[in-house]
Amino acid sequence: GESVGLHLPTLSVQEGDNSIINCAYSNSASDYFIWYKQESGKGPQFIIDIRSNMDKRQGQRVTVLLNKTVKHLSLQIAATQPGDSAVYFCAETPTGNQFYFGTGTSLTVIP
Amino acid sequence: EAQVTQNPRYLITVTGKKLTVTCSQNMNHEYMSWYRQDPGLGLRQIYYSMNVEVTDKGDVPEGYKVSRKEKRNFPLILESPSPNQTSLYFCASSFFQGNDEQFFGPGTRLTVL
Repeated sequence: GESVGLHLPTLSVQEGDNSIINCAYSNSASDYFIWYKQESGKGPQFIIDIRSNMDKRQGQRVTVLLNKTVKHLSLQIAATQPGDSAVYFCAETPTGNQFYFGTGTSLTVIP
Repeated sequence: EAQVTQNPRYLITVTGKKLTVTCSQNMNHEYMSWYRQDPGLGLRQIYYSMNVEVTDKGDVPEGYKVSRKEKRNFPLILESPSPNQTSLYFCASSFFQGNDEQFFGPGTRLTVL
């Protein structure tokens, strides 16, 4: 089966600092990658995505970087805020129908 | 309001008693999917559907059934639940296949005794 892993299960950052959450994936055929945020008691919420023909994509305060050579994905959050505290998941799909999620990184923002 | 709804939100049942968790979306999405979330394992895909009457297995389909008779509904059926199906279940939908933003429901916490 697929294996999507995260480098760190927890991450604590000071409010205002930048956060970097990493993810390794195993299937070189995957061509679409997504980051989700899950707050306590809620379902995952889409943050940003990237396709394999790109290596960087920016959103509002978030940037996703894709390194296909080493099968690595990262999510950068600029000027982290208390509302960013949540669990972050990466996901990959080689088919557009079957999705494989990482185990999640819990981000805690310290005021 | 555009949303994915699931019912029930919480359910405690006993081994072997058939149950159905409903999922409905009001966004006219073609793609729908079910996931289970367990501590330390992240989300794992159970089944997905690309459109009405089209369903396929995900990574962990054993012990589950689904149907897609209408575009908006995608129920998850446990014919004979077992304790290892105790989990948090999420339904999700997206406009076209999965190469698009998936909207998740609020989750159904199932306990099988």
